[in-house]
Amino acid sequence: AQTVTQSQPEMSVQEAETVTLSCTYDTSESNYYLFWYKQPPSRQMILVIRQEAYKQQNATENRFSVNFQKAAKSFSLKISDSQLGDTAMYFCAFIAPHSGTYKYIFGTGTRLKVLA
Amino acid sequence: DTAVSQTPKYLVTQMGNDKSIKCEQNLGHDTMYWYKQDSKKFLKIMFSYNNKELIINETVPNRFSPKSPDKAHLNLHINSLELGDSAVYFCASSPLLGETQYFGPGTRLLVL
Repeated sequence: AQTVTQSQPEMSVQEAETVTLSCTYDTSESNYYLFWYKQPPSRQMILVIRQEAYKQQNATENRFSVNFQKAAKSFSLKISDSQLGDTAMYFCAFIAPHSGTYKYIFGTGTRLKVLA
Repeated sequence: DTAVSQTPKYLVTQMGNDKSIKCEQNLGHDTMYWYKQDSKKFLKIMFSYNNKELIINETVPNRFSPKSPDKAHLNLHINSLELGDSAVYFCASSPLLGETQYFGPGTRLLVL
């Protein structure tokens, strides 16, 4: 069975600092995608970043980057120059498109608070 | 301009009532989903439709019935509402099965 684990229920960071959110997953699939979604207090689920398992290069989107360690099944999110607007729940998600299940597997989320 | 929209955004109702939540996407995607997010923020897939065909049907009470009149719409009807149905319900869509999903704004359902 595929699982996604986010071991940090809550984190805080000072504005302008860098923070890393952890995510580990378990799968026997070789082809899969990993995602980070952000859910601010407005509750909208916003796609932050996506990583294809076959790509060795870590994905980057502006201040957001990932550290994808395929052998270790680890997919952490680094937020640089944290801003107050980054305060949100962050969910790690996994999908194996050829596994036949077609389902996102979500982690339990990390609540991030950016402090002024 | 909205990619995935849901109506209503808030729904307050009494136990035993029947209600519907509507979802529309203008992204041209083939696949649509319904998720339930509970009070602990845990997201769980309920249903998925691909080209109007039911693909995923998780262990959900049969009081919940999805309906997809066309590829751009996926509605959720709930009969005989119970207190435990109170949650945020998200609609999402993806270009194809197994692809990146884009979420609607959510519908907060409160059953009294």
